[in-house]
Amino acid sequence: QQQVKQSPQSLIVQKGGISIINCAYENTAFDYFPWYQQFPGKGPALLIAIRPDVSEKKEGRFTISFNKSAKQFSLHIMDSQPGDSATYFCAASYNQGGKLIFGQGTELSVKP
Amino acid sequence: DSGVTQTPKHLITATGQRVTLRCSPRSGDLSVYWYQQSLDQGLQFLIQYYNGEERAKGNILERFSAQQFPDLHSELNLSSLELGDSALYFCASSRSQIQETQYFGPGTRLLVL
Repeated sequence: QQQVKQSPQSLIVQKGGISIINCAYENTAFDYFPWYQQFPGKGPALLIAIRPDVSEKKEGRFTISFNKSAKQFSLHIMDSQPGDSATYFCAASYNQGGKLIFGQGTELSVKP
Repeated sequence: DSGVTQTPKHLITATGQRVTLRCSPRSGDLSVYWYQQSLDQGLQFLIQYYNGEERAKGNILERFSAQQFPDLHSELNLSSLELGDSALYFCASSRSQIQETQYFGPGTRLLVL
């Protein structure tokens, strides 16, 4: 119930393509869903986050799609660039709590 | 640069030993979180402190303990170290104790030999 399942584990995309990473959760008490980006040797950094009262949130080339009934959410990276090559983590937390439950991560490689 | 500092960057020690990891949160942040990152377990929440008090506990072993001091820096103590404790340990901070952006430090890489 505490898990967040993330797929795929790794993803290779051509420059200019769309990268899509999916996450699923069981705990309906989760109400905050951030995505973090991590470069080698660095700590994770918040990319974009969504709450379940909206179905989509867009920030630049990054979009979160949220499906509350299916308990799934996904990250879309449009016009993927080699500089986007990193590990991406979805996460979830519930109201009144700060701790983040992370997915297993997706290693994205964008080929030039 | 997130504004969160962690020391040391790397730590190599032997089984059975005890180490202390240190974290200084961003200026003005009252909450500190500790996470462990390993290949097999991924990123796992260990413990959260808010303004000096423990707020939430995750999968933290009894051999591990933490505290947050009056100046808001935090220390994670790992004792009776085992090979399986080798991992990256991240500290994160946020303004308050509820949902909002957590800013992660660069991590401490612990290797237990």
